[in-house]
Amino acid sequence: EVQLVESGGGLVQPGGSLRISCAASGFTFSTYWMHWVRQAPGKGLVWVSHISGDGSRSNYADSVKGRFTISRDNAKNTMYLQMNSLTAEDTALYYCMGWSRTSGGQWGQGTLVTVST
Amino acid sequence: DIVMTQSPLSLPVTPGEPASISCRSSQSLLHSNGYNYLDWYLQKPGQSPQVLIYLASNRASGVPDRFSGSGSGTEFTLKISTVEAEDVGVYYCMEALQSPHTFGQGTRLEIK
Repeated sequence: EVQLVESGGGLVQPGGSLRISCAASGFTFSTYWMHWVRQAPGKGLVWVSHISGDGSRSNYADSVKGRFTISRDNAKNTMYLQMNSLTAEDTALYYCMGWSRTSGGQWGQGTLVTVST
Repeated sequence: DIVMTQSPLSLPVTPGEPASISCRSSQSLLHSNGYNYLDWYLQKPGQSPQVLIYLASNRASGVPDRFSGSGSGTEFTLKISTVEAEDVGVYYCMEALQSPHTFGQGTRLEIK
């Protein structure tokens, strides 16, 4: 069974940094493109970033480009999102999603990031 | 960027009746490999999204067969043959063809 568990969310001040993680199990992690998707309170789903199975390719939404960095450690079956220069607009529930052509997207339960004084 | 447009945005349905949601993309989602890179997700109240349909018409594991997906290119449809109370929530389409990946605005299904 595919399992994705996010962690590392919390309260951070504007301009601050935070690193969130996604621990994966139940599938061959290195073969999946992995994504971060966020959802602001009461709003829809917004794609943030993705990284290829071997970690060599990644891309970002314009709203986070230059501030967020996605990475993965296939030996630890874990993906990360380093978030810098955070603003109130980054406040959201951050989901990790593993996507494959044979199953579509599998989602974690999310980790809440709140940017506030 | 590909723009995904869903309709309707609100869908009240009587249990036992069918329901249909449309999703249109601003660019074709047909890959050279023959697959349409369009997924459907359901987010039930208080839960994470869950995949219903991937690559336009493939029902995900464990998804009831009352859910079906169809379409190609830029026009796609999710159909529920007979709505049940447990189907309430927000339905999203998502293009998986190219980044930035985009979602539709969401369709909120409610029971009459």
